[in-house]
Amino acid sequence: DGGITQSPKYLFRKEGQNVTLSCEQNLNHDAMYWYRQDPGQGLRLIYYSQIVNDFQKGDIAEGYSVSREKKESFPLTVTSAQKNPTAFYLCASSPQGLETQYFGPGTRLLVL
Amino acid sequence: KQEVTQIPAALSVPEGENLVLNCSFTDSAIYNLQWFRQDPGKGLTSLLLIQSSQREQTSGRLNASLDKSSGRSTLYIAASQPGDSATYLCAVNTGNQFYFGTGTSLTVIP
Repeated sequence: DGGITQSPKYLFRKEGQNVTLSCEQNLNHDAMYWYRQDPGQGLRLIYYSQIVNDFQKGDIAEGYSVSREKKESFPLTVTSAQKNPTAFYLCASSPQGLETQYFGPGTRLLVL
Repeated sequence: KQEVTQIPAALSVPEGENLVLNCSFTDSAIYNLQWFRQDPGKGLTSLLLIQSSQREQTSGRLNASLDKSSGRSTLYIAASQPGDSATYLCAVNTGNQFYFGTGTSLTVIP
């Protein structure tokens, strides 16, 4: 079954803690994306990667970091510098940057 | 910077009604526009992708149109069903990234 998986479904972060959200795809897509969704707002781009070992900042990259060591994987770390991390995080992929995006089921991050 | 607006923010209709969702964008220099469906607490599902050179795309009861020069797209849903209840988002692709609207929350009443 081809698709995008995100884990965990729910994640709790203590103050001052870094947490990492997982995103894996078996679609053989080159491009991968991380978005943040807040109530009443559209999706906002955090980071994107169009090729292995390369990634670019999106509109709201501050307080986040990513890596792209493998084509299938694009983990997102929410660092302690992100002061308002509570949100729904969505990972997406596409064959190339100009084509249809496919989304994972999302991870909801909550702060304890 | 591209701004994407969706009107209305929420819509409630009786089952069987035809309806139109609107999406507008500020910069007409786009590569394509995509309509998505999102169920509560879930990821996005792609419905239709319209390339900048196209005027419309159809899939089943869904028809999306694109007027790039005026910065508008519409999603037409025919014979609405309770299962169509969800949030519908449009996204504009400028080349490197998609810009998303805030969505229209649709409720179809049986």
